[in-house]
Amino acid sequence: LAKTTQPISMDSYEGQEVNITCSHNNIATNDYITWYQQFPSQGPRFIIQGYKTKVTNEVASLFIPADRKSSTLSLPRVSLSDTAVYYCLVGDMEQNFVFGPGTRLSVLP
Amino acid sequence: GAVVSQHPSWVICKSGTSVKIECRSLDFQATTMFWYRQFPKQSLMLMATSNEGSKATYEQGVEKDKFLINHASLTLSTLTVTSAHPEDSSFYICSARETGAGTEAFFGQGTRLTVV
Repeated sequence: LAKTTQPISMDSYEGQEVNITCSHNNIATNDYITWYQQFPSQGPRFIIQGYKTKVTNEVASLFIPADRKSSTLSLPRVSLSDTAVYYCLVGDMEQNFVFGPGTRLSVLP
Repeated sequence: GAVVSQHPSWVICKSGTSVKIECRSLDFQATTMFWYRQFPKQSLMLMATSNEGSKATYEQGVEKDKFLINHASLTLSTLTVTSAHPEDSSFYICSARETGAGTEAFFGQGTRLTVV
């Protein structure tokens, strides 16, 4: 399983764009990159998934460079309700998801 | 997106008793479901992978006789914590992947277990 590295914590202010980068140097050819958000006492919630280049949905964008050794989750104009832990996971259809420590994002007023 | 439902959301039990937690995929079939445990301020720890119709695969250090997993149908997996002790108090979360439909996993809302 590809190991991922993310910043432990980040602070931001309301209305700012937040970019969280994840390193996955040993990503395999069949691996996808998936990001989840978790609020306290809730299960993780799917945010976005990608394989290469850029993926965008109504919540976030995911940027993946050509070598796929890293990825960046971009949250546009965050609000207080975006305060949560964000997890970057790498794996294929056959693997279970192993969670790293994630990034604890604090959005300040 | 697809919905995974856990029941109960929270449970308090006495030491020595057993507790069953259900995980259901409501609108899709899941050949494989996963069970995680999460302690306060920590990440999710994978406990076991549950496969429909076969024995679960447990992660190293997880006692299979203590955490009984049954995956009897394509939409239901259960985790039974047997002879629970206070140190088993934790947040238990299940997830499921839709059979043959990509790599996205859907998570239940979690079950808070408190053993007194």
